[in-house]
Amino acid sequence: DAGVIQSPRHEVTEMGQEVTLRCKPISGHNSLFWYRQTMMRGLELLIYFNNNVPIDDSGMPEDRFSAKMPNASFSTLKIQPSEPRDSAVYFCASSFTSPGANVLTFGAGSRLTVL
Amino acid sequence: AQTVTQSQPEMSVQEAETVTLSCTYDTSESDYYLFWYKQPPSRQMILVIRQEAYKQQNATENRFSVNFQKAAKSFSLKISDSQLGDAAMYFCAYRIANNDMRFGAGTRLTVKP
Repeated sequence: DAGVIQSPRHEVTEMGQEVTLRCKPISGHNSLFWYRQTMMRGLELLIYFNNNVPIDDSGMPEDRFSAKMPNASFSTLKIQPSEPRDSAVYFCASSFTSPGANVLTFGAGSRLTVL
Repeated sequence: AQTVTQSQPEMSVQEAETVTLSCTYDTSESDYYLFWYKQPPSRQMILVIRQEAYKQQNATENRFSVNFQKAAKSFSLKISDSQLGDAAMYFCAYRIANNDMRFGAGTRLTVKP
């Protein structure tokens, strides 16, 4: 398996532009997570899905952020309009939903810079 | 709310020596899971070790071991025979089954040759 695939790896955009980050989880995993990492706030959970259904989106900063998971193999995180304070590394992670110590497997992250 | 605290922002160790990274957590749950992840400069998050709370035996993975004290809600990571490649940010994490994973602020480990 190729692991969790995120794109783009790097994105530089101007304030006010729409940004879409993409994630392909590991095949067979049925939980998907979006995290944001910054120096000031560390790793923050934005939203997670179980079986394509959003379970907890309380970490989404504001209405400018939205996430979708139309099927088991694809998810997007969209920021519209983007602001400089959205600059961060965004991680997608996936895992099984089953009893046990289910490990999250992370993608390589998408580094977003908003000018 | 569950919280994870790593009280050491930075640690350093001499190559081949042993270092212990601290982690405490707060929870009212009795069944949960604990993890240590490593994040090298490549920024990839890599699982180091995991522990089920119902297991009394401390987990071990080669040079990495944990000291799990459930009553004290403590979960420290010991790295033996430190290597230059161990230099990274280390994150302690907590998870209840099928829920989200909560992370500490991280400890930056430097390994001196």
